Formats: sequence, C-alpha cells, structure tokens
Amino acid sequence: QSALTQPPSASGSPGQSVTISCTGTSSDVGGYNYVSWYQHHPGKAPKLMIHDVSQRPSGVPDRFSGSKSGNTASLTVSGLQAEDEADYYCSSYAGGNNLGVFGGGTKLTVL
Amino acid sequence: QLQLQESGPGLVKPSETLPLTCTVSGGSISSSRYYWSWIRQPPGKGLEWIGSIYYSGSTYYNPSLKGRVIIFVDTSKNHFSLKLSSVTAADTAVYYCARQPTWHFDYWGQGALVTVSS
Repeated sequence: QSALTQPPSASGSPGQSVTISCTGTSSDVGGYNYVSWYQHHPGKAPKLMIHDVSQRPSGVPDRFSGSKSGNTASLTVSGLQAEDEADYYCSSYAGGNNLGVFGGGTKLTVL
Repeated sequence: QLQLQESGPGLVKPSETLPLTCTVSGGSISSSRYYWSWIRQPPGKGLEWIGSIYYSGSTYYNPSLKGRVIIFVDTSKNHFSLKLSSVTAADTAVYYCARQPTWHFDYWGQGALVTVSS
C-alpha cells in the first residue's frame, strides 16, 4: 500500500481539463510544500512535471499546474492532448530522513 | 544534458544480494547541490523510494527496507551504486536511479528490470 493515495484512473476528452488528487497526512503532504508530480510513459524514464507544489520546470507546458489544500495535493491538466495519456505519480517529502514517499499512481486516459 | 543509466544483473537468486550501478554523464556526481537516489516500481504497483546519498556521503534509507540497503558513491567513476541484501520475490521490480536537488527528482534513468527467482 502506497503512502500517498491517488485515484487509480482519470479520463477526459481532448481539450478538456482533468484534476488528479493526492492525499497524504500532516506528516507529509500537509506538513511541507514539497509535493512533486511525475509523468510516466511505460518503458520510459519518469518525467518531473511539477515540484514544490506548483513550480513547473523549464520545458513543461503551462497546461500542467499544481496546488495543495491541507493534506491533499492536486495536479490539473488543462487542454488535454493525446500525448498527455500516461501514468502520473505524486510524491512528497516526509520529514527527517524520509526523503520521498510516493502515491500509487493514476492512469490518465485521453478519450 | 544530464543522463543517468542503470546497469546490473537482470536476475538475482532469492536470499542473495542485488547489485545495481547508476552511471552519470553530462555532470559531476560530486556536485554539492544534489542527492543521488534509487527508486523502484514492482510489477503493477506504484513507485517506492529506496534511498539517497548526498555528495558528502551521508545516506538516507527507506525504513521499510529494514537495513537491507546500502548506497555508495564512486566519484572517480562518476557513478553510485545500490546493494539490496536478502532479496525475495517481493524485490522484483524496475529499479530507477535519479538526481534529487532537494525534495523532488529531476532527472531519471530509463530503469533496469531485476527479477528475483531461482
């Protein structure tokens, strides 16, 4: 069982928006502004999409945005495109020597 | 462009030690700004952080792995390595290495599948 809880699946039509949630506790997501999101196409290296809750690395489209409220973080993908279909994982710093806990992943399907 | 590449045996016998190496190119592993990390994904499951090493040699491990993990750096070869002892079938996974600036992972390797089986 993963430390952070994500819905197993999400979907939307091209052009629509979809939001993926990531629920933790006050010891991880709620305690620090260090939530990150990764896009993973099977067989490829995971790609960092968001870090520090809402910061987008250079090269990541601004269609991807992140937020947090309490113990739940969210990734929103606006203007869905076919290439956005992938697995998405959230992660959070969990304090002390625990440098990273992950969610179980959400499979995003573009209908 | 920074690149990371995992290497090691694809098959390890139960109770033995799993060894993996991550070779870093396009940047120095001795940089004071980064941790270097291992993450794995068992078949059909999510990602799991295994542990990280700082350039100074300080190490941080996932408590759930109960002392079976060692991560070390060889700066002369610009690579870092993982040893996971007493493996079982539950350790079968794709193992990724990654660079960790602070509390996220910004560059990842392609991953190496390791199967634990006799």
